[in-house]
Amino acid sequence: KAGVTQTPRYLIKTRGQQVTLSCSPISGHRSVSWYQQTPGQGLQFLFEYFSETQRNKGNFPGRFSGRQFSNSRSEMNVSTLELGDSALYLCASSLGPGTNTGELFFGEGSRLTVL
Amino acid sequence: GESVGLHLPTLSVQEGDNSIINCAYSNSASDYFIWYKQESGKGPQFIIDIRSNMDKRQGQRVTVLLNKTVKHLSLQIAATQPGDSAVYFCGVTGGGNKLTFGTGTQLKVEL
Repeated sequence: KAGVTQTPRYLIKTRGQQVTLSCSPISGHRSVSWYQQTPGQGLQFLFEYFSETQRNKGNFPGRFSGRQFSNSRSEMNVSTLELGDSALYLCASSLGPGTNTGELFFGEGSRLTVL
Repeated sequence: GESVGLHLPTLSVQEGDNSIINCAYSNSASDYFIWYKQESGKGPQFIIDIRSNMDKRQGQRVTVLLNKTVKHLSLQIAATQPGDSAVYFCGVTGGGNKLTFGTGTQLKVEL
């Protein structure tokens, strides 16, 4: 069974640009959540999607957005990139609501560097 | 909101010894308390969870203890192996799949 797949794995952007990251959850998983990981702030929750609807959102500015497609695949977008957006962006999947014991399956992340 | 911290940024143990990683939290309303492991270059991997109405849970070579009185969570790893070297995060659930994580403890296993 394939794990959570994130693309691209690495990317470099410049300030002011925008970026789109993609996540394919484990087959059968319908909930996808996104996390940002930085050395200073650690792992921080961005948002969660289920059935193409955003169910939960973290404390990030509106430049961070996401969506989920009918096949459960998800994308997140960051517009007007800032240096501080440099981070590892992690996608995690789970079966869906009602299974929120805290067990999520994470991908290996997309490493974004903003110059 | 939730706040989760870890007591030590780094922990070094000898191979074969037991490891204890500690964590403190501030929000008592969380349903589950969790531990994740992250190896270099990989995403976090779920280790074990404990429901808020329990005080101890055992897995394979791991035991999680929850002390709600002092808001303290710990992960014990028995017979620590080189493959256990990683960063360990404690966390709490906060509705849906929103997890709040601590800052992490780097576990180094010395041969």
